[in-house]
Amino acid sequence: DQQVKQNSPSLSVQEGRISILNCDYTNSMFDYFLWYKKYPAEGPTFLISISSIKDKNEDGRFTVFLNKSAKHLSLHIVPSQPGDSAVYFCAADTGNQFYFGTGTSLTVIP
Amino acid sequence: ETGVTQTPRHLVMGMTNKKSLKCEQHLGHNAMYWYKQSAKKPLELMFVYNFKEQTENNSVPSRFSPECPNSSHLFLHLHTLQPEDSALYLCASSQPGLGGVGELFFGEGSRLTVL
Repeated sequence: DQQVKQNSPSLSVQEGRISILNCDYTNSMFDYFLWYKKYPAEGPTFLISISSIKDKNEDGRFTVFLNKSAKHLSLHIVPSQPGDSAVYFCAADTGNQFYFGTGTSLTVIP
Repeated sequence: ETGVTQTPRHLVMGMTNKKSLKCEQHLGHNAMYWYKQSAKKPLELMFVYNFKEQTENNSVPSRFSPECPNSSHLFLHLHTLQPEDSALYLCASSQPGLGGVGELFFGEGSRLTVL
């Protein structure tokens, strides 16, 4: 049973607009959430994280929002840039193990 | 010198072959991991090593055999694999702390094709 779900396999956004990537989870024991970004032929790289005690974390153009009651996580990228085109993985940490979503492929159109 | 290095980047093997994937981390981390990434599936955790000791085996078939000689090196030995084992195998390391696993640092992956 998949504990972390990314229901949109792909997303296309115009350069300069906002990209919103969504993630849902089922396990209320997750205490830390992360987003990873992956370019083709490279391993995933850490992008941004949020602790379960917070509802928002911002780092430059990237903001992660956590809605614990809805068990929902989202990543906002604004303004979107062509270099942001990649696959984005949502991950959740129980303290012992990470659980990853299937990824959302973002394409930013110049 | 990149943080986590994996070799080979690409590997093609027959079902009767024996091969190994190698991972080396230069970050001073104490935990190392093998993940499997198949198309349209989440990253699947295979093995976890903490301080060279295996602490997690996520019901992985015995045709995959990990080895961790020290905290910086991790191997995945492959023997009599099946075509469905074709995937991207990712190595990662982290520095676990009181807050949990710690941030994972991934290698670039080894793309395995089993014929």
